[in-house]
Amino acid sequence: SQTIHQWPATLVQPVGSPLSLECTVEGTSNPNLYWYRQAAGRGLQLLFYSVGIGQISSEVPQNLSASRPQDRQFILSSKKLLLSDSGFYLCAWSVMAGDYNEQFFGPGTRLTVL
Amino acid sequence: GQNIDQPTEMTATEGAIVQINCTYQTSGFNGLFWYQQHAGEAPTFLSYNVLDGLEEKGRFSSFLSRSKGYSYLLLKELQMKDSASYLCAVMDSNYQLIWGAGTKLIIKP
Repeated sequence: SQTIHQWPATLVQPVGSPLSLECTVEGTSNPNLYWYRQAAGRGLQLLFYSVGIGQISSEVPQNLSASRPQDRQFILSSKKLLLSDSGFYLCAWSVMAGDYNEQFFGPGTRLTVL
Repeated sequence: GQNIDQPTEMTATEGAIVQINCTYQTSGFNGLFWYQQHAGEAPTFLSYNVLDGLEEKGRFSSFLSRSKGYSYLLLKELQMKDSASYLCAVMDSNYQLIWGAGTKLIIKP
């Protein structure tokens, strides 16, 4: 069966510090991978998605970046965090299965920037 | 632009029925998803509709009308554990999910 891991679960970082969040998927090959951010009481905002190694599409211009060094590894990074980067970060994966493309989410990382 | 609208919050009584509506305007349509999200947790998949009509899955049903850009999630025999946010998402012509802000459902005894 497929599983998705994210770490850390919670993170408190000062403004201006770097960030690295990691996501790995097990039990599937060549998944589509996604990074979302969810502000408190808000919907999911797609940040990046990837259809393959080294292929990253950015949906929102910001001080964040993403990389996919391996098929089942997706990393979200920042060189200098802003207060507005606080939120709940979710990694998700999907594969085309029949008619649709259901997304499965990792447990999330709650980031607080102070 | 692309837009998904759903009520911010709803309250219902344990054992009752509640209907959560979702209207959408997107560039293309490749299906509509409903997800459940408990506070502090990741969303989990509930249902998928791509054709008009009702899909039933246990206590949960989801309805779609593509001509009206409208869907609803129907929850029957409400239980306290159903207290959560319910997210509506539409897959657009690029097969990307466009998400609503979610409806927070509060269940009272």
